Amino acid sequence: DGGITQSPKYLFRKEGQNVTLSCEQNLNHDAMYWYRQDPGQGLRLIYYSQIVNDFQKGDIAEGYSVSREKKESFPLTVTSAQKNPTAFYLCASSRAGGGDEQFFGPGTRLTVL
Amino acid sequence: QKEVEQNSGPLSVPEGAIASLNCTYSDRVSQSFFWYRQYSGKSPELIMSIYSNGDKEDGRFTAQLNKASQYVSLLIRDSQPSDSATYLCAVKRGQFYFGTGTSLTVIP
Repeated sequence: DGGITQSPKYLFRKEGQNVTLSCEQNLNHDAMYWYRQDPGQGLRLIYYSQIVNDFQKGDIAEGYSVSREKKESFPLTVTSAQKNPTAFYLCASSRAGGGDEQFFGPGTRLTVL
Repeated sequence: QKEVEQNSGPLSVPEGAIASLNCTYSDRVSQSFFWYRQYSGKSPELIMSIYSNGDKEDGRFTAQLNKASQYVSLLIRDSQPSDSATYLCAVKRGQFYFGTGTSLTVIP
C-alpha cells in the first residue's frame, strides 16, 4: 500500500536532548512537509522540500533542522534550541504540481519531560 | 490578516441535518482548495479538493468555491455522529496554508 509512515508514534525527550523524527513516503511525491500542531491550534509549517537536497524554512523553523538526501525520506531533528517542543508533529507529501493534493502521515507526539 | 480563516465553532447539528462549514482566504491568486477532516488525536485526512468556481459533490460532501468572494465552503448532508471531528480548510499557493479548523459535533 502506498502511504506515508512516521516513527515513532510517541516520543519522550529530556530537556537538552536532540531527537530525530522519521518520515518516509512511497507515493513517489516530490514535495514533503513538516508541520507542528499544538492543542486546539492549526497547523504551522516548520520546513518543506520540493526536491532532493533542497529545502526551505517555514514559519517556525527555529530550533529545527531537516535533510532531504532521498526522495522518499525527510527526517526532522528537534534540537535543544527549540524552547517548547512538546507538540504533535505531522509529515506530509504532495506532487510538486500546482493543484496537487497533500497527504499526511499518522504523526508523532513528542513530549518533553 | 491570516491567509485562511475559519469559524472555530464549535458547531453542533442533529443527526441527519446539513452541516455547513465556511472558510475565507486572503490571496486572490490562490488556485487550489482543500478540506481535511481530523479526528481527535489523529492526523488530517483529505476529504475534498476543489479548483474551479462552483460546486463539487462527493457522496454526502459538497464543496463550494467562489473565487470572487474568496470563499470556500463544505456542506455535509445527512450528518452522522461519525462526522464529528475538526474540519480544516487549506489553500495552496506554492506552499499550503491551513485554517485553524472548525469543530463539528453531530448529536444522535
